[in-house]
Amino acid sequence: QSALTQEASVSGTVGQKVTLSCTGKSDNIGTYTVGWYQQISHGTPKIVMFGDSLPSGIPDRFSGSKSGTTASLTISGLQPEDEADYYCSVWDYSLSAHVFGGGTKVTVL
Amino acid sequence: QPQLQESGPGLVKPSETLSLTCSVSGVSVTRSSYYWGWIRQPPGKGLEWIGSMYYDGSTFYNPALRSRVTMSVDRSSNHFSLELRSVVAADTAVYYCVGHRGVSGCPAYWGQGTLVSVNS
Repeated sequence: QSALTQEASVSGTVGQKVTLSCTGKSDNIGTYTVGWYQQISHGTPKIVMFGDSLPSGIPDRFSGSKSGTTASLTISGLQPEDEADYYCSVWDYSLSAHVFGGGTKVTVL
Repeated sequence: QPQLQESGPGLVKPSETLSLTCSVSGVSVTRSSYYWGWIRQPPGKGLEWIGSMYYDGSTFYNPALRSRVTMSVDRSSNHFSLELRSVVAADTAVYYCVGHRGVSGCPAYWGQGTLVSVNS
């Protein structure tokens, strides 16, 4: 069982806004910055959001936020190339370890 | 921007030790605030953090794997390594080497990954 909880799947049509959530605890999400990773067709994961900061080269339709112990990744204007698995990750100070969510499969209908 | 590349055997026998090396280019492994680590992904499953380390030898390991893992840094060769002892079939996975800024920073730099199968 993953330390962080994510939806198993989310779907949307092209141009739609979708939001993925990642729920943890005060020891992790409540304290540290959450990273979001995109993995297309079992390739190498790529970071697409760190907190609310967009890494270089990532389209600005991606945005991140956090409220308490839940972080969110929003894709505004879903595109076919956004179809992928998305994982959240954060440092947990009680474990002194990085933890991951189980991943959300985003399908573009 | 660091570039990372894993190397090592693709097949390991049960009960033996899995050993992988990650070659780093573009930045020294002794660069201040950079941590180096490993993440794995079993076939069809999610990502699992194995551990991270700093060039001074400080290590942080996944509690579930701590008893079997050793990580080290080779400053002269600018690479770092992973040893996972007493492997079983469940250790079959794609192993990624990663880099991140600060111990709590999320891994931003990834190698392409290497598949290691545990099979006799």
